[in-house]
Amino acid sequence: QSVLTQPPSVSGAPGQRVTISCTGSNSNIGAGYDVHWYQQLPGTAPKLLIYGNSLRPSGVPDRFSASKSDTSASLAITGLQAEDEADYYCQCFDTDLFGYVFGTGTKATVL
Amino acid sequence: QVQLQQWGAGLLKPSETLSLTCAVYGGSFSDYSWSWIRQPPGRGLEWIGEVNPRGGTNYILSLKSRVTLSVDTSKKQFSLKLSSVTAADTAVYYCARDSSDRFGGYNWFDPWGQGILVTVSS
Repeated sequence: QSVLTQPPSVSGAPGQRVTISCTGSNSNIGAGYDVHWYQQLPGTAPKLLIYGNSLRPSGVPDRFSASKSDTSASLAITGLQAEDEADYYCQCFDTDLFGYVFGTGTKATVL
Repeated sequence: QVQLQQWGAGLLKPSETLSLTCAVYGGSFSDYSWSWIRQPPGRGLEWIGEVNPRGGTNYILSLKSRVTLSVDTSKKQFSLKLSSVTAADTAVYYCARDSSDRFGGYNWFDPWGQGILVTVSS
């Protein structure tokens, strides 16, 4: 079972804004560890989307943004596009497990 | 452009040992630690463990007794062995590069290998 909780699904029409939450605890996000986000298109390996809470790797569109506060983090997609339909995962380090943990995953659907 | 290519047996019987290798092309091997991550069919991601270029390791507690990670810096390869597999170990296994060679919570994972589906069935 994951220690980072995400909503199972989010959806929106093209052009709309959607947000995905990642809720942790004082042993991971609340302990000050950075949160990172990945996008997994169907049938492919995950791809780094956001690192260091809010930084975008080169090549990631600026319609993807993220933030972190207290024991949670969130990913926002503004100007939703059909190609954004994918699974999204947050990731952090947990001091109780002394290992990296991923969120439960969120499927984003473009209506 | 760093690329990771992985290989290994895709079908195992219960109690056998899973063995996968990942090769690194186009980038430094000695400046990073290297991780294995798995994803059961239709489910989320689970980090298995990481190995640094000096052979130091860090494993998830739930698998620690069955996992061995190793590196061969001369070949720019790292490997995963998981003993006494059961059906619960059926998953797509990914190798990935850590963002640094440090342990202790500093890392994200980029890039990832293509993934290998390992099925455990009698």
